[in-house]
Amino acid sequence: GAGVSQSPSNKVTEKGKDVELRCDPISGHTALYWYRQSLGQGLEFLIYFQGNSAPDKSGLPSDRFSAERTGGSVSTLTIQRTQQEDSAVYLCASSLARPGGGYGYTFGSGTRLTVV
Amino acid sequence: AQSVTQLGSHVSVSEGALVLLRCNYSSSVPPYLFWYVQYPNQGLQLLLKYTSAATLVKGINGFEAEFKKSETSFHLTKPSAHMSDAAEYFCAVRRGSQGNLIFGKGTKLSVKP
Repeated sequence: GAGVSQSPSNKVTEKGKDVELRCDPISGHTALYWYRQSLGQGLEFLIYFQGNSAPDKSGLPSDRFSAERTGGSVSTLTIQRTQQEDSAVYLCASSLARPGGGYGYTFGSGTRLTVV
Repeated sequence: AQSVTQLGSHVSVSEGALVLLRCNYSSSVPPYLFWYVQYPNQGLQLLLKYTSAATLVKGINGFEAEFKKSETSFHLTKPSAHMSDAAEYFCAVRRGSQGNLIFGKGTKLSVKP
């Protein structure tokens, strides 16, 4: 597609329920990233997929969080047994991973998750 | 390990005044540095990036940033603020040459008429 698409744009869920957030990156982008943005906290890195390599999961805050990327394209971030502190905007970004490191990301508009 | 620090969570300027948003970085290797802008209820958009080609980097919407190794800084400037510049600005450094970006906490810019 023309940009990074995230769905849903808003999600309200009850504490303890599981949620799935979807990201559809720009076609041909080999790298895909998930970040969490909380008020006053900036962007917190969660997980990073690069081609067929094992994902970098070093930013996932607990084992309730997981993500997968199917066929090197669409990614799903799953949060199990949601807690109120999980409320945030979840941002997805994709990029072409070129040598040299000077490539930026294209971000989606995010999913605003509210846990009540 | 790489990191960035943005000084000032809120900056307010008058329309037409100079905009200066501060970013200092920490990196054990030559850094790749970025500035992103986030308008209300939108995703982040790349403003400019430093990739060692030139120390003064020009970006979109009249913004520029200067890489100063001696000061470990990458401050964002614009000579004359417009009302449309009101947004949140994030500085970021790449982790290594292929890793994820590490973002600062952001600076919210307000522009007064």
